[in-house]
Formats: sequence, C-alpha cells, structure tokens
Amino acid sequence: DAGVTQSPTHLIKTRGQQVTLRCSPISGHKSVSWYQQVLGQGPQFIFQYYEKEERGRGNFPDRFSARQFPNYSSELNVNALLLGDSALYLCASSPRMGLPNTGELFFGEGSRLTVL
Amino acid sequence: QQQVKQSPQSLIVQKGGISIINCAYENTAFDYFPWYQQFPGKGPALLIAIRPDVSEKKEGRFTISFNKSAKQFSLHIMDSQPGDSATYFCAARRRGNDYKLSFGAGTTVTVRA
Repeated sequence: DAGVTQSPTHLIKTRGQQVTLRCSPISGHKSVSWYQQVLGQGPQFIFQYYEKEERGRGNFPDRFSARQFPNYSSELNVNALLLGDSALYLCASSPRMGLPNTGELFFGEGSRLTVL
Repeated sequence: QQQVKQSPQSLIVQKGGISIINCAYENTAFDYFPWYQQFPGKGPALLIAIRPDVSEKKEGRFTISFNKSAKQFSLHIMDSQPGDSATYFCAARRRGNDYKLSFGAGTTVTVRA
C-alpha cells in the first residue's frame, strides 16, 4: 500500500520566488495536514484540510496558502519566499478530520525547500 | 512559542542501555500525548501514545511514564539497540482541537554498538 507521497523531494528557490508543494494522502484518507520542520526543531502545524475545506490554520503568515482537491490530494503554496522558509515541509494524512484516538498522523517523507 | 518542552537535545547510549527523554507542558487542556520516531530522510512515525488518565504505558521496549500533577511525561527505551538511533519527538493534542499536534523540539538518540 502506498503511503503519503510528496513532491518534489528537494528544491532550491531564491528569495522572493514562489513554490508549490504537492501531497497525495493514503488511499481512503480524507484529511491532509501540513507541517513545517525547520532543521533541529519539531514540526510546526501550518494547515489542515478536510473535504476540501480549511479546518485549521497555524501561526503562519498569509504568504502560506493551501488547497485540497476532490481526490483529497493537496497543494501547499508559499509566496514571496524568505530565507527563513527553508525547511522540510511535511504532509500528513488521517482518515477523518479529527485525529484518530491513537493520535496517529501518517507523515510523508517531506519536501526539502532551500531558499537562497 | 513552544508548548511542549523536550530534553535532552541529544543523547548517546550504549547498546543494551536505557534511553530516557523528558517532556513538559503547561497547557492543562492537552488530552493526548503521542511520541513520534523519525529516521533521517523519513517523515515522523507514531511510536507510542498515552492519555493523562494513565500513568504508564508499555509497548515492547518502549514505555511512557506520565505525571499529570507535574505536567511531565517521559519516554524510556529499554535495551536500546543500534536500530533505535533516530530523532524522537514528544507531542500533545489540545482537547477540542484534535486536528493539530504540538511537537517538542526533538531528541536525537545515538545507540553505540
């Protein structure tokens, strides 16, 4: 069974550019969350989408946006990139909106963004 | 602001030894505390989790101890193996906000053979 897949795995951008990251959840999972993991830190919540609607947003500027498609895949967009946006962007899926009782989010391997 | 504080930042243990990672929180609205394990180049994966009405949970060589009054919880890795070398994150979920996990900063564990 395919897990959560993310693309691209690595990318390099320059300040001011825009980036789009993509995520395909586990088959049957309707909820997708995005997390930012800066080197040496734990993941920080950015967004959660369920049934194509934004259900939660973390403390990130409006330069960050996302959407979910009818097939439950998702895109994360970041505009006007800053050096501080360099991080591993993790996508996680879960079967429903709220976390399952196990608290389990299924994470992809991430997209490593470097901003120069 | 980091809602879950984790220590130590890193630790080295000999094969067969015990690894102990500690976490503390302030928000009493947290009602679920999972631990995630992350290998280099991989995403985090759920290892074990506990609710605050339980003081201890054990799964194989991994044990969570929970002290509700002190608002602290810890992960013990017994009989540590080289394959346990990874970064471990504690996390917490706030009651009523069950779509979001707040993670600690992580502990890199190195098990020497």
